[in-house]
Amino acid sequence: EVQLVESGGGLVKPGGSLRLSCAASGFTFSSYSMTWVRQTPGKGLEWVSSISSSSRYIYYADSVKGRFTISRDNAKNSLYLQMNSLRAEDTAVYYCARTPTYGDFIPWYFDLWGRGTLVTVSS
Amino acid sequence: EIVLTQSPGTLSLSPGERATLSCRASQSVTSYLAWYQQKPGQAPRLVIYDASNRATGIPARFSGSGSGTDFTLTISSLEPEDFAVYYCQHRSNWPLTFGGGTKVEIK
Repeated sequence: EVQLVESGGGLVKPGGSLRLSCAASGFTFSSYSMTWVRQTPGKGLEWVSSISSSSRYIYYADSVKGRFTISRDNAKNSLYLQMNSLRAEDTAVYYCARTPTYGDFIPWYFDLWGRGTLVTVSS
Repeated sequence: EIVLTQSPGTLSLSPGERATLSCRASQSVTSYLAWYQQKPGQAPRLVIYDASNRATGIPARFSGSGSGTDFTLTISSLEPEDFAVYYCQHRSNWPLTFGGGTKVEIK
């Protein structure tokens, strides 16, 4: 089955750290660029970070730059998000999503999403 | 940053009716706009990419149009499973942004 499964969410205190994982299965992970998108409970969607299939290109939203690090391990079919210096406003459901990639052409829309993992930052 | 403004916020319609959703960009995104459907408790699902291309498995009653700054998602005849929140997203430059969403609810 083609799917993405996120894990690693939970309750963390402000200033703390958390590492999210996204396990891919049923498709050739190394052929896809990947992205983390978050959604505040009851609110809309916010792009967080993206990484190309070979990790050559990496992008971050200003709101997380310097605090979050995206990475991937194509041998393990996995995507990661290391989140440091967490703030209350980082509380959200975090989704991983894939983008089909054609060489250096990456049309950054998302044709497959995981079910998400909830991150709650609270004292 | 490109701001995407969706309207209306809520659309109350009956099954079988036509739904017209709007997404306006604060600057041109050419045709680099996608639409997603999200139902409660579920992840978003890609409906339309690059303004007018239906994603795999999306029924023909869904269509997208527009270019530049004004885009429309049309559902020609609403089915019960179409009631959901719809978001637009551009890929014109960084940062990628999403619109605030339009909820299509049963009247």
